[in-house]
Amino acid sequence: EAGVTQFPSHSVIEKGQTVTLRCDPISGHDNLYWYRRVMGKEIKFLLHFVKESKQDESGMPNNRFLAERTGGTYSTLKVQPAELEDSGVYFCASSRGASGEQYFGPGTRLTVT
Amino acid sequence: GQNIDQPTEMTATEGAIVQINCTYQTSGFNGLFWYQQHAGEAPTFLSYNVLDGLEEKGRFSSFLSRSKGYSYLLLKELQMKDSASYLCAVTKAAGNKLTFGGGTRVLVKP
Repeated sequence: EAGVTQFPSHSVIEKGQTVTLRCDPISGHDNLYWYRRVMGKEIKFLLHFVKESKQDESGMPNNRFLAERTGGTYSTLKVQPAELEDSGVYFCASSRGASGEQYFGPGTRLTVT
Repeated sequence: GQNIDQPTEMTATEGAIVQINCTYQTSGFNGLFWYQQHAGEAPTFLSYNVLDGLEEKGRFSSFLSRSKGYSYLLLKELQMKDSASYLCAVTKAAGNKLTFGGGTRVLVKP
């Protein structure tokens, strides 16, 4: 069974530009989560999809962040326009049930210059 | 709010035992996860405790005391490959988002 995959692995963009991160969860996992780790801080929750619906988006920092999961399969997280403080590692995770173990992807390292 | 504390760094010798403590303060506590993360890689699941007590899984064991807001991860017969960050995370009764501590970096020396 393939694990959670994320693309790209690294992205370097200038302040004001747009970046779109992609996450492919494990096949059959209805629950998909986005997390972020900024330098020197703990991993923090951004949002949770159940299939294509946003179950909890309480962690989204502001309206420059837009997450979608059309069709309930892969998800994208768009940052527009990017700011310096958006730099960090963005992790995606998926789980089969709502209370099960979450399987993490390797993350996308975003650097905003 | 939630507060999760774990030591920043620990050093141990190959073949020894290390215990990583995690304390938490949270309303609506449901369960506690431990993840292992090697540098540049995905966090990988180690254990999940919901009830009080010790869960043993090979060289790794995890303990939970709900009344004390306390957990520990015990790594026995340490191997060099155990050098990694160990993340404590809690979930609340409603929903399943993980709230993480800062992680404990464990360095295993020969």
